[in-house]
Amino acid sequence: EPEVTQTPSHQVTQMGQEVILRCVPISNHLYFYWYRQILGQKVEFLVSFYNNEISEKSEIFDDQFSVERPDGSNFTLKIRSTKLEDSAMYFCASGASDENQPQHFGDGTRLSIL
Amino acid sequence: QKEVEQDPGPLSVPEGAIVSLNCTYSNSAFQYFMWYRQYSRKGPELLMYTYSSGNKEDGRFTAQVDKSSKYISLFIRDSQPSDSATYLCAMRPGGGGADGLTFGKGTHLIIQP
Repeated sequence: EPEVTQTPSHQVTQMGQEVILRCVPISNHLYFYWYRQILGQKVEFLVSFYNNEISEKSEIFDDQFSVERPDGSNFTLKIRSTKLEDSAMYFCASGASDENQPQHFGDGTRLSIL
Repeated sequence: QKEVEQDPGPLSVPEGAIVSLNCTYSNSAFQYFMWYRQYSRKGPELLMYTYSSGNKEDGRFTAQVDKSSKYISLFIRDSQPSDSATYLCAMRPGGGGADGLTFGKGTHLIIQP
């Protein structure tokens, strides 16, 4: 069964550094998403991406964050000037071209900021 | 008022029992409802996806939506130890695939052998 793939599974970064989280969505999907889950808290929506541009973003997704689809298969989340509070699980998800289809998630990248 | 409320548990039941998991929500704009299962250190895995009020069945799982009461449920029949996981409800407004999901906090379910 097709799946969303995320790399790396665990990223450790010094505070203030930039980090790029990578995702390969399901191949025929056109909607892409990033979510965050801080330990012990809810999964929170960050951003959605469609047709090579941001469609929706939450209050969390400020200027520190950016997303990109650099080629036909990858979808990335860049976090600049990382802070301790950016430590969380980051999940990528994708959805099919039919806008009423559900979102399918990867297994996440655990980001640890030291 | 929180948008989506879900009892975090833990909920512990014996193997073979019927499990009932529930979420309430406050935003009447929510039209699409999902249940995800999350094992430790894994991503959310889609179990059920519903739009209409009423019941939807898939194997041992039944999803129930009551939009008038803003209440959704997931029932698991003949529960197995492998069903032990955290169950997340999620929902979004209608009208666009770009909408982000709003999640409940998740219910930690333990099925005792």
